[in-house]
Amino acid sequence: NAGVTQTPKFQVLKTGQSMTLQCAQDMNHEYMSWYRQDPGMGLRLIHYSVGAGITDQGEVPNGYNVSRSTTEDFPLRLLSAAPSQTSVYFCASSDRGNYGYTFGSGTRLTVV
Amino acid sequence: GNSVTQMEGPVTLSEEAFLTINCTYTATGYPSLFWYVQYPGEGLQLLLKATKADDKGSNKGFEATYRKETTSFHLEKGSVQVSDSAVYFCALSSPNAGNMLTFGGGTRLMVKP
Repeated sequence: NAGVTQTPKFQVLKTGQSMTLQCAQDMNHEYMSWYRQDPGMGLRLIHYSVGAGITDQGEVPNGYNVSRSTTEDFPLRLLSAAPSQTSVYFCASSDRGNYGYTFGSGTRLTVV
Repeated sequence: GNSVTQMEGPVTLSEEAFLTINCTYTATGYPSLFWYVQYPGEGLQLLLKATKADDKGSNKGFEATYRKETTSFHLEKGSVQVSDSAVYFCALSSPNAGNMLTFGGGTRLMVKP
């Protein structure tokens, strides 16, 4: 099984550019979420979804947009990249959340 | 809101030493508790979990017990190996937060031969 697939693995953007980080899961999970990982700060929730057509904001949503048109896909859009968005981004999915999440391998984003 | 506090690292141990990484939490209701492990350059992997008070999660020689009275979920292993070197994250999910994960800051473990 592929599990949770994130693309790309690495990306360099210039300030002001936009891009979409892709996330797909093949486990028919209802819950999907995006986190960013910064040194010394653990992982912080950006946006999440509890099913197709339903999204909500997490702890640090500013500058990011999401949509969930299918159960499988949960893309994260950076509208106008800023150096503060340099981070490692993880997508995760779960059946209901209370039994654990499966994580993708991450996207390392650098904004210059 | 919910929060997780874990001991700061790095923790440096010799092979076969005993490991404890402390984790305490604040949450309303009855959260589920998790330990995740992140090896260099990889994503997070679920190491173990406990979904109710007094449950003990275990995997690969690691153990943690859900202690509601002390709001703790400390990770232990009796004899660490070099291959256990990684970053360990304590986390919780709670129905009052949509069952999304709240993480501690992570603890880096380095095991020397």
